[in-house]
Amino acid sequence: DAGVTQSPTHLIKTRGQQVTLRCSPKSGHDTVSWYQQALGQGPQFIFQYYEEEERQRGNFPDRFSGHQFPNYSSELNVNALWLGDSALYLCASSLSYNEQFFGPGTRLTVL
Amino acid sequence: ILNVEQSPQSLHVQEGDSTNFTCSFPSSNFYALHWYRWETAKSPEALFVMTLNGDEKKKGRISATLNTKEGYSYLYIKGSQPEDSATYLCASRRGDKYIFGTGTRLKVLA
Repeated sequence: DAGVTQSPTHLIKTRGQQVTLRCSPKSGHDTVSWYQQALGQGPQFIFQYYEEEERQRGNFPDRFSGHQFPNYSSELNVNALWLGDSALYLCASSLSYNEQFFGPGTRLTVL
Repeated sequence: ILNVEQSPQSLHVQEGDSTNFTCSFPSSNFYALHWYRWETAKSPEALFVMTLNGDEKKKGRISATLNTKEGYSYLYIKGSQPEDSATYLCASRRGDKYIFGTGTRLKVLA
């Protein structure tokens, strides 16, 4: 079992661009949550997907959207990037409401 | 307390020293308290999940306690080793939302 995997590892974009980050959950998990960790902060909850629907959402603007596929993998999309979106984006998977397991994250730099 | 707060923000200890960190969290609507160990460039690794007031958990030289009435948890490391160097994150789970602290960065000097 590869655990939770995320791609890409690192990404550099410029302001105004759009980005898509990907996450494959741990085998047997059906729920994916996304977090943003800015420098010096703890991970902040963005949203959670279950059964291909957004189940919960944190305090993030509509520029942040996501998707979950039938195989439970997930994408995080961010439109109209600005400098403040530079952060580590973590994906976590779980079996419904059980304990979350984290991926290594994607480091996004917006120039 | 509305947020999850951790202290200290960082610390350096000598190999063999014992140390402890604090996690403070909102005591209302509490569901569970999670501790994670996070090494640079790796995934956060779950250490403990604690749910009951008075819970004590232990894994090797690392242990944790929980007080849900006053909203705090302590993580203890006995006889610190250089491989214990990492960021230790706590997260309060309220329903199915995890609220993280900013972590305690531990550096164990050989």
